[in-house]
Amino acid sequence: SQQGEEDPQALSIQEGENATMNCSYKTSINNLQWYRQNSGRGLVHLILIRSNEREKHSGRLRVTLDTSKKSSSLLITASRAADTASYFCATAILISNSGYALNFGKGTSLLVTP
Amino acid sequence: DGGITQSPKYLFRKEGQNVTLSCEQNLNHDAMYWYRQDPGQGLRLIYYSQIVNDFQKGDIAEGYSVSREKKESFPLTVTSAQKNPTAFYLCASSGAYTGELFFGEGSRLTVL
Repeated sequence: SQQGEEDPQALSIQEGENATMNCSYKTSINNLQWYRQNSGRGLVHLILIRSNEREKHSGRLRVTLDTSKKSSSLLITASRAADTASYFCATAILISNSGYALNFGKGTSLLVTP
Repeated sequence: DGGITQSPKYLFRKEGQNVTLSCEQNLNHDAMYWYRQDPGQGLRLIYYSQIVNDFQKGDIAEGYSVSREKKESFPLTVTSAQKNPTAFYLCASSGAYTGELFFGEGSRLTVL
């Protein structure tokens, strides 16, 4: 079942601006992950934040996690036209010694115009 | 190069026919997954497998079947029982420690 819900559904900005996407979820998680999908392609993992972490950085990406509010945000700084894609959050729950169950939201469609 | 290979990329099927989508990985991952994606929607889990010769149903398994005879391979069969099979199908695998998924490039199935 889909647990993560991204907001907004669509976002349009100009190059150089920052883009912020939010994700809310309903149950306890082990970690939360963000993925990117270019049109018609597979998803690419961007960043993972564990439930005991509050903030994480990777290049121009900054992810925050607030487990008390069951929410996360993804910030892309100094956006580029090449950042145009759909972005998905996925909540991960440990289901066995060797595996996780990931539930994906419906995604945020980001358009960055030159 | 290490990764996940899905084939075919595009597939057309007549109603009433079964089709099989291939997924092969050389990442030495134990877990493999099949997701379905409809336009403007997120991913919905069809089946997953955490070990060879074992697999579990996901949220929308009806009308689909899988096998996991080899660690590297996790084919998905879309049967004639699937009422609305036109969709984009994504295969993924993951290692044990974080659940980070590695995806293939997808297979787009269209029923004519």
